[in-house]
Amino acid sequence: EVQVVETGGGLVQPGGSLRLSCVASGFAVSDNFMSWVRQAPGKGLDWVSIIYNSGNTYYADSVKGRSTISRDNSKNTLYLQLNSLSVEDTAVYYCAGAVGFTNAFDIWGQGTVVTVS
Amino acid sequence: QSALTQPGSVSGSPGQSITISCTGTSSDVGGHNYVSWYQQHPGKAPKLMIYDVTKRPSGVSNRFSASKSGNTASLTISGLQAEDEADYYCSSYTSTTISYVFGPGTRLTVV
Repeated sequence: EVQVVETGGGLVQPGGSLRLSCVASGFAVSDNFMSWVRQAPGKGLDWVSIIYNSGNTYYADSVKGRSTISRDNSKNTLYLQLNSLSVEDTAVYYCAGAVGFTNAFDIWGQGTVVTVS
Repeated sequence: QSALTQPGSVSGSPGQSITISCTGTSSDVGGHNYVSWYQQHPGKAPKLMIYDVTKRPSGVSNRFSASKSGNTASLTISGLQAEDEADYYCSSYTSTTISYVFGPGTRLTVV
């Protein structure tokens, strides 16, 4: 089955750090565009970061300079390192993959909750 | 603040049709055929409904259709059903940041 499962969320104090993980099955993260998307409580979807199959990475301005997206091909896992967290980073963080299509994200995880307080 | 604009809410009765617009710029919606639409029910992950402006993934009802004109994309849902009640987000590739952007979302109420 093609799926992704996120872990790593939790309660963290302002200024702290977290590393989110997204384990993929049924496809290779290295072969597809992989992204992190977040959703603050009661708010809309907010694109955070993307890593292309080429390895190029891009970040939303809101996290640029304090976050790093990476992947471990041997573990078929996507990561998001978040540093200098603030209350504005409180959200459900989704891992999304463009697996069946090139420019649309068809595989989503259930999300992992990050609370900064 | 989203780079794309959508109406905050739309409503319709069962059996009717509704259309949700998504307006961007020539750097995103107007400049690329990489507009997608996502449906999200409360407490659930988003689900891809439309990709590459007009295409439906396998398993998505043909009651969902989409189009684009200039810098505005549109999602139409015909034959509204109670299960269509959800939030709908448009998304587009943007050459400004070589990444993707979401609209603020539109809440569909089936009354």
